[in-house]
Amino acid sequence: QKEVEQNSGPLSVPEGAIASLNCTYSDRVSQSFFWYRQYSGKSPELIMSIYSNGDKEDGRFTAQLNKASQYVSLLIRDSQPSDSATYLCAVGNFNKFYFGSGTKLNVKP
Amino acid sequence: EAQVTQNPRYLITVTGKKLTVTCSQNMNHEYMSWYRQDPGLGLRQIYYSMNVEVTDKGDVPEGYKVSRKEKRNFPLILESPSPNQTSLYFCASSGGEGGVYGYTFGSGTRLTVV
Repeated sequence: QKEVEQNSGPLSVPEGAIASLNCTYSDRVSQSFFWYRQYSGKSPELIMSIYSNGDKEDGRFTAQLNKASQYVSLLIRDSQPSDSATYLCAVGNFNKFYFGSGTKLNVKP
Repeated sequence: EAQVTQNPRYLITVTGKKLTVTCSQNMNHEYMSWYRQDPGLGLRQIYYSMNVEVTDKGDVPEGYKVSRKEKRNFPLILESPSPNQTSLYFCASSGGEGGVYGYTFGSGTRLTVV
């Protein structure tokens, strides 16, 4: 079983701060990396994908990938209360993707 | 609207009574997959399908069946449900081959087997 590890949280940050979410994975040959946001009682929603080492920015979100250290992170700048959700990390290759259990983020007004 | 539609949203059934959870997508995606989500265990893949008539097992396929007779539909069948199949189920599809561009998820089906 390929492992994807996330701190379950909750991670609490004040509104306007940077939230930093981390994920480590065990399978060195993984090629595709995703972050999903899941609001309580809802389905996961894809917010970021990253495939090569380095940073990828999309609006307030930045995904960071370090394949040598086998970790992927998500930074949320200017955090808003609407960002309060569980963030799922997904890692894998063609046809096979493994999800972490998620980190719950609370953004306090 | 591009979406993945699952039905039913909630289902309570008894042990051993066959059931089908339907999944349909309107995005012409070739790749579809079923996951179950349990507290502390994350999302685990049950089955996936690369295209019509092409399906394969994920990590937790025991007790489940699938079929892919049409591109848009990918039903999940529990022929003899047991209480350990009580879970939240998600169908997902992807425009990328093998799901490499990420998934669009359905709204989920919360199944309780008593």
